[in-house]
Amino acid sequence: DQQVKQNSPSLSVQEGRISILNCDYTNSMFDYFLWYKKYPAEGPTFLISISSIKDKNEDGRFTVFLNKSAKHLSLHIVPSQPGDSAVYFCAASANFGNEKLTFGTGTRLTIIP
Amino acid sequence: ETGVTQTPRHLVMGMTNKKSLKCEQHLGHNAMYWYKQSAKKPLELMFVYNFKEQTENNSVPSRFSPECPNSSHLFLHLHTLQPEDSALYLCASSFSGTGDKNTQYFGPGTRLTVL
Repeated sequence: DQQVKQNSPSLSVQEGRISILNCDYTNSMFDYFLWYKKYPAEGPTFLISISSIKDKNEDGRFTVFLNKSAKHLSLHIVPSQPGDSAVYFCAASANFGNEKLTFGTGTRLTIIP
Repeated sequence: ETGVTQTPRHLVMGMTNKKSLKCEQHLGHNAMYWYKQSAKKPLELMFVYNFKEQTENNSVPSRFSPECPNSSHLFLHLHTLQPEDSALYLCASSFSGTGDKNTQYFGPGTRLTVL
């Protein structure tokens, strides 16, 4: 039973346009959500997080939106750059970010120059 | 060295071998984690250590044996593994607690192949 789902295994976006990565979750106890980015041969790198008391968090080109009623979150990257090509993982936890993270399977983002 | 390091980066072992994976963090964190990533599956949390004490064992088979001698080092001892244990093993560390302080930082992983 996968509690965090990333239904798009891959996404291609033109450089300069907006990239939108989606994530759905089923566990209503989740209250803290994170996005990680992974390059080949490297470990995942933390990008941005959001707690359930917010519906939006922004950091530079990256914005995460949370829709609690739909149990859905999305990561927007604008403008997309070639260096953004990577695998993006959504993760969730209960108790406001305790150590037990549940990850999605990832979405491979390719930015086309 | 900075961040979280893992050795070896690649390991091939037979089912009767005994080997160990090593993780070291240079971030002053007090919590350390082992994750497993199999092909086309999400990262699965295996073990959590807080201040050297194991606080989470996610129903991991006993052929995986973790060891945390101090807050900076974490080992995963492997013995009599099965081919289905072939995967990427990732170590992470963080501060204990909740919220932004608990952001986990990952090492590059060890790619394990069991023959």
